[in-house]
This record gives sequence, C-alpha cells and structure tokens, in this order.
Amino acid sequence: DAMVIQNPRYQVTQFGKPVTLSCSQTLNHNVMYWYQQKSSQAPKLLFHYYDKDFNNEADTPDNFQSRRPNTSFCFLDIRSPGLGDAAMYLCATSRGTSWDTQYFGPGTRLTVL
Amino acid sequence: QQPVQSPQAVILREGEDAVINCSSSKALYSVHWYRQKHGEAPVFLMILLKGGEQKGHDKISASFNEKKQQSSLYLTASQLSYSGTYFCGTQETSGSRLTFGEGTQLTVNP
Repeated sequence: DAMVIQNPRYQVTQFGKPVTLSCSQTLNHNVMYWYQQKSSQAPKLLFHYYDKDFNNEADTPDNFQSRRPNTSFCFLDIRSPGLGDAAMYLCATSRGTSWDTQYFGPGTRLTVL
Repeated sequence: QQPVQSPQAVILREGEDAVINCSSSKALYSVHWYRQKHGEAPVFLMILLKGGEQKGHDKISASFNEKKQQSSLYLTASQLSYSGTYFCGTQETSGSRLTFGEGTQLTVNP
C-alpha cells in the first residue's frame, strides 16, 4: 500500500547529541511537511518542502534543519536537542498544491535524556 | 491565527450524538477535519471549502458557515471507534498554511 513511513518510531537521544529523523513516501507527492506535536497539543508546523523549495516557519528554531534529497525522502535534523524538544514528530505529504489533504506518517516519538 | 475548538473534551455513551465546533476570528478559505487516536498519526476526515458546503462521511458530517467563520463536525450514533482527538485545521486563503486548533478529545464508552 502507498504510504508515509517514518523511522525510527521511537528515538532516544542525549541532551545536545544530534539526531536525525527520517520520512519516506510512496505516494509520489510533491509536498512534504514536518510537524512537532507535544502532549495534548495541536501539531505545530516546523517547515515544508514543495518539491525542492524549502519553506521554513518563522518561529521554527534554528536548531531544526531539514533535507529533502529526492521526492521520496525527507529528513529532520535536530542539531543540539534540548529537553524541550522531546515530542512526537510527524511527517506528512500532500499531492499537489500546498494544503491539499495531508497524509500523515505514524510519527517518531523523541525522548531527550 | 489558531482556530478555537469547543468543547475541549466530551464523553459519550455508544449511540449518542456529538457536535464539535471550530471557530476563527478571520475569514476562512477552507476547514480540514482530522481524527487522531492516542499514539497514532492524525487521519484525514474531510475538507470543506468556502461556499457554505456540507459534507458527510458515514455517520460523521460537517458544515462550514463562512459568514460566521465557523465549522461544525457532527457525529451521529457514535461508535467506540470514534474515540480520539478531533482537530480542525483552517486555511485563510487558497495556498496559505494550515493552522490546527487545540483539539477536542472525544471518548465513547460502551
């Protein structure tokens, strides 16, 4: 089945130790998004790619970076994770224009020790 | 501008109905509804575009009143599987970012 896949599902890292989360999609969608979701809160958009065009949200900390080497893959790099970065990270895709129906991956739960 | 959802939480018995509201202080182009079960990813339910449309999806339907800048999600004859957190996402113009509300936690008990 076509889908959005995130690896790993659970990630534990140490304070300040860089970590990379990955997302892949078999939907051949143009747009890929990264969201941060903390407990009992709404998903918060960090950034998105429309093809290779990167769009950063104004309030996304510099600590968060992203790479999209091809249509299928997108990575979230957290350069120096702090305790406040512990959250669920959701990857989503949409087909054409930005803000079409978004298809979410299962998420990666990040724990920072 | 983050939309406001109400109520924050609701508890139902199986078979009862519920309404979840989503309001914005700004004019809206579209409203998106998602359901998220605990520990899982949000799942798309439906999109409503301005024009005052109404959509249905089994026993879950929604309306969008652009004049009131408000959308309502109607859950009829609720089932246990309806439990989860319902998020509305709003879009102020075509092509603008989607902003999610804080969510409404729905619990359906036997």
